[in-house]
Amino acid sequence: AQRVTQPEKLLSVFKGAPVELKCNYSYSGSPELFWYVQYSRQRLQLLLRHISRESIKGFTADLNKGETSFHLKKPFAQEEDSAMYYCALRLTNSGYSTLTFGKGTMLLVSP
Amino acid sequence: DTAVSQTPKYLVTQMGNDKSIKCEQNLGHDTMYWYKQDSKKFLKIMFSYNNKELIINETVPNRFSPKSPDKAHLNLHINSLELGDSAVYFCASSQADRGSPELFFGEGSRLTVL
Repeated sequence: AQRVTQPEKLLSVFKGAPVELKCNYSYSGSPELFWYVQYSRQRLQLLLRHISRESIKGFTADLNKGETSFHLKKPFAQEEDSAMYYCALRLTNSGYSTLTFGKGTMLLVSP
Repeated sequence: DTAVSQTPKYLVTQMGNDKSIKCEQNLGHDTMYWYKQDSKKFLKIMFSYNNKELIINETVPNRFSPKSPDKAHLNLHINSLELGDSAVYFCASSQADRGSPELFFGEGSRLTVL
């Protein structure tokens, strides 16, 4: 079965502290992974995708196939980073794809 | 300017009633989705349509019936509502033929069944 695991429901840090939101996946094919973010009272939106290898809002995520992980990291958390973060895996079936999401991790950054 | 819009944003109703949620996207995408977010914030795919055709149905009860009159619209009708249907329902769209399609989400429709 393909699945995405985010072991932490809540991660609470102080402003300026490093952040790592964990994501592990299980997939028999070549994985394609994403991080989506949902700020308070806003819609879910794409934060970054592994194939882009980009840094968005100071966040990075590296796909580690050996550990089947795609952890999201930021060296110095900001209060505005407080949000719900979802790791997602692209599944393809009969030429069509969809995203399956982890259960999400709420990040709270305190001043 | 809203890319994916859903109506209504809030819906409070009694058990046993029938209700609909509408979704429209103006991005020119060919694929639309319904996701359900439960009280624990778990986000799960329900349906996916590509060019008005159902391509994914994730073991959702028959009381849920999606309808896609055209590729810009995907509506969700729910019959005989139950307490467990209370959730936030998100519509999303993407373009299937792009290498790594990004999902664009609506703001969600919060359904409360009393």
